[in-house]
Amino acid sequence: SSELTQDPAVSVALGQTVRITCQGDSLRSYFTSWYQQKPGQAPVLVIYGKNNRPYGQSNRPSGIPDRFSGSASGSTASLTITGAQAEDEADYYCNSRDRSGWVFGGGTKLTVL
Amino acid sequence: QVQLVQSGAEVKKPGASVKVSCKASGYIFTGYYVHWVRQAPGQGLEWMGWINPNTDATEYAQKFQGRVTMTRDTSISTAYMELRSLTSDDTAVYYCVRQYSDSSGYYYDAFDFWGQGTMVTVSS
Repeated sequence: SSELTQDPAVSVALGQTVRITCQGDSLRSYFTSWYQQKPGQAPVLVIYGKNNRPYGQSNRPSGIPDRFSGSASGSTASLTITGAQAEDEADYYCNSRDRSGWVFGGGTKLTVL
Repeated sequence: QVQLVQSGAEVKKPGASVKVSCKASGYIFTGYYVHWVRQAPGQGLEWMGWINPNTDATEYAQKFQGRVTMTRDTSISTAYMELRSLTSDDTAVYYCVRQYSDSSGYYYDAFDFWGQGTMVTVSS
């Protein structure tokens, strides 16, 4: 069973802001990365952080729109999409290290209405 | 450009083994850890382990210890993942992924490039 907990599904109106959360004890010690996965495709990295504490700002790989941002507080990490677009409809997974390796959250299906 | 190209789909019987390859190009193969992640049909992502292509060191998720082996051949920039004693629960798409590292050698907790995935079907 996953040690990172995500809401199974979230919806957002076109152009509005949505936050997708990820909870887990490992997030107190390690950075969270976020992945977007569309049907039939491999996941794509959208947000990542650095391998040290305390948390710094999240980073986006080149090519990822600046409407994607990340943050963290305590045992909760968040992915925020500011001004969601139709093409943002996808599954989103959080990921971090933990005491026994690496772990993914169960995923959140984002619907853009 | 960075590419991870995986071997083709496999169909195996219960109890058999499967070995998936992942050929890297566009970067220095020994400079980046390679992880393996799988995804059962309609399910989420599951981390399986990593290999350091430079040192051949490995770490496996506890769930797969004793049943998985990750290896590499640096002469052809290829990583391999072998999974043994297959059951229907191992039916999944298997991805090789590169752990992100910058030009200073700093490793991020993130996977920046993914292979296209290899579908492994276990069925009698």
